Amino acid sequence: GAGVSQSPSNKVTEKGKDVELRCDPISGHTALYWYRQSLGQGLEFLIYFQGNSAPDKSGLPSDRFSAERTGGSVSTLTIQRTQQEDSAVYLCASSLTGSNTEAFFGQGTRLTVV
Amino acid sequence: DQQVKQNSPSLSVQEGRISILNCDYTNSMFDYFLWYKKYPAEGPTFLISISSIKDKNEDGRFTVFLNKSAKHLSLHIVPSQPGDSAVYFCAASGWNNDMRFGAGTRLTVKP
Repeated sequence: GAGVSQSPSNKVTEKGKDVELRCDPISGHTALYWYRQSLGQGLEFLIYFQGNSAPDKSGLPSDRFSAERTGGSVSTLTIQRTQQEDSAVYLCASSLTGSNTEAFFGQGTRLTVV
Repeated sequence: DQQVKQNSPSLSVQEGRISILNCDYTNSMFDYFLWYKKYPAEGPTFLISISSIKDKNEDGRFTVFLNKSAKHLSLHIVPSQPGDSAVYFCAASGWNNDMRFGAGTRLTVKP
């Protein structure tokens, strides 16, 4: 009965380095979302996975951002050549079907690019 | 594209009074709406939802109202309690089921 788990909880990286953020959704949830929250801002949609369908990548801010969801479960968000403006809290959520159901969020990964 | 808008960044109410948080959306394809509550350093937690076939959903002190013609929804909390102090996010999903959030409203309930 674990909730959505994200790792690491905090990540400090140097500008230009690549980072990988991991999300373990609730078991059995077919829908998975990534959002980010910059300081003082709302939740910015990044990407959405639903089952075996092609992901909705319309929120990814640049081609430095990519995400995978392997085996319909764990997801990894990768940011290449990080920039200072990438500093934010990255939140992952999952829902049972993605259709008219609530999503459950992880605690987030706080990324700081120095 | 800001498809879900919360135009009030903050709201302050007295304990025991009603809190009304507002949300507007632009995409007429949205058919499911949710409110989330977020405390600092935690992920958002689901509070209440409403389907577009309804205009009201109530759960204890929380009621969500939906006005489809105006593309507007609101969350009413009555009576407000100090523990309700948090950031409240409105969210909407539609045919493709991805979920879009507003910028949030910080509610402060004063004792």
